Amino acid sequence: DAGVTQSPTHLIKTRGQQVTLRCSPKSGHDTVSWYQQALGQGPQFIFQYYEEEERQRGNFPDRFSGHQFPNYSSELNVNALLLGDSALYLCASSLAKELYGYTFGSGTRLTVV
Amino acid sequence: AQRVTQPEKLLSVFKGAPVELKCNYSYSGSPELFWYVQYSRQRLQLLLRHISRESIKGFTADLNKGETSFHLKKPFAQEEDSAMYYCALQDNYGQNFVFGPGTRLSVLP
Repeated sequence: DAGVTQSPTHLIKTRGQQVTLRCSPKSGHDTVSWYQQALGQGPQFIFQYYEEEERQRGNFPDRFSGHQFPNYSSELNVNALLLGDSALYLCASSLAKELYGYTFGSGTRLTVV
Repeated sequence: AQRVTQPEKLLSVFKGAPVELKCNYSYSGSPELFWYVQYSRQRLQLLLRHISRESIKGFTADLNKGETSFHLKKPFAQEEDSAMYYCALQDNYGQNFVFGPGTRLSVLP
């Protein structure tokens, strides 16, 4: 079992551009959550997807959007990139009926220049 | 508002010494508390959670509701314990985590 896989591992974008990050959950998991981890800080919750809908959202602007597909994989989209969006983006998967069993991916390192 | 604080950014101890990583939280309900660990070049992984009252790799953590704390302890630190440690709480609905800023533990030989 590969666990949670994220792509790409590293990405460099220019300010104002748009980016899409991808996540495949652990086999058997149906819920995907996204976190932003800025340098020197703990992960911050962006949003969570379940049954292809956004179930909960953290304190992030509408520039951050997502999607979940029927196979439970997910995408995180960020529009109009700012320098401050540079961070490690973590995906975590879980099973909705098992409330506390999160598995994290290795993350995508986004650098905005 | 939900919040987790970890007052120490860096904690250095010698091998064999006791270690305590501090964590305090604020939450209006009864949260679930966790400790996550990230070893060098590895992904974030669960170390332990208070609901299972377990000891993992010699670490334990006791939830003190009066002091709203969930400190992580180990009586004898090992060099392989060197890592980044994050305290986190999860809301009553079992959805998102709120993470603290993390403490880097360095165990010196």
